[in-house]
Amino acid sequence: KQEVTQIPAALSVPEGENLVLNCSFTDSAIYNLQWFRQDPGKGLTSLLLIQSSQREQTSGRLNASLDKSSGRSTLYIAASQPGDSATYLCAVLYSGSARQLTFGSGTQLTVLP
Amino acid sequence: NAGVMQNPRHLVRRRGQEARLRCSPMKGHSHVYWYRQLPEEGLKFMVYLQKENIIDESGMPKERFSAEFPKEGPSILRIQQVVRGDSAAYFCASSREAQGKLFFGSGTQLSVL
Repeated sequence: KQEVTQIPAALSVPEGENLVLNCSFTDSAIYNLQWFRQDPGKGLTSLLLIQSSQREQTSGRLNASLDKSSGRSTLYIAASQPGDSATYLCAVLYSGSARQLTFGSGTQLTVLP
Repeated sequence: NAGVMQNPRHLVRRRGQEARLRCSPMKGHSHVYWYRQLPEEGLKFMVYLQKENIIDESGMPKERFSAEFPKEGPSILRIQQVVRGDSAAYFCASSREAQGKLFFGSGTQLSVL
């Protein structure tokens, strides 16, 4: 069964700290992997998309890595700010799954001022 | 460039009524996806449509649920004879290419009394 798991489910850090969110997937045959953030009562905002052939993507203070062989991706957030507080979702587009993204259950991040 | 627009934001229905959820994709996007987020659960794929065609509806319940994306106008997710278990956040997403980056709307929160 093709699944996506995110650990931890919740994380609380003081402002300014660097942090890593983890995502693991069960099948290495993927098209791409996407990281989103979801704010309470709102939709999802796409942060980074990593194609199957790529190892990492960077946008500002965010860096996402992809290791297909181990079935893992990490989202690194540098110099965290209270505005980073949100739920972060990892989603995988598996090969052969047509167009269905498989989502993890998310990591709820709280950055304390 | 407006994002993915969903309406209504909140919809309240009594058991047995019909719910119609609307989604207008981003300009230039011809691929539309519907996802459902049940309370305390991750997002689950429901259906993928292109203009006038349902490409993949494997995640949609066989009964009471239907979706369309007409040549003109928004995509519609219709739920007939709603039950309490249909209460959830329904998100629409669109993309320019079939395996491209997904952009999500803010969702419709359906509450069934």
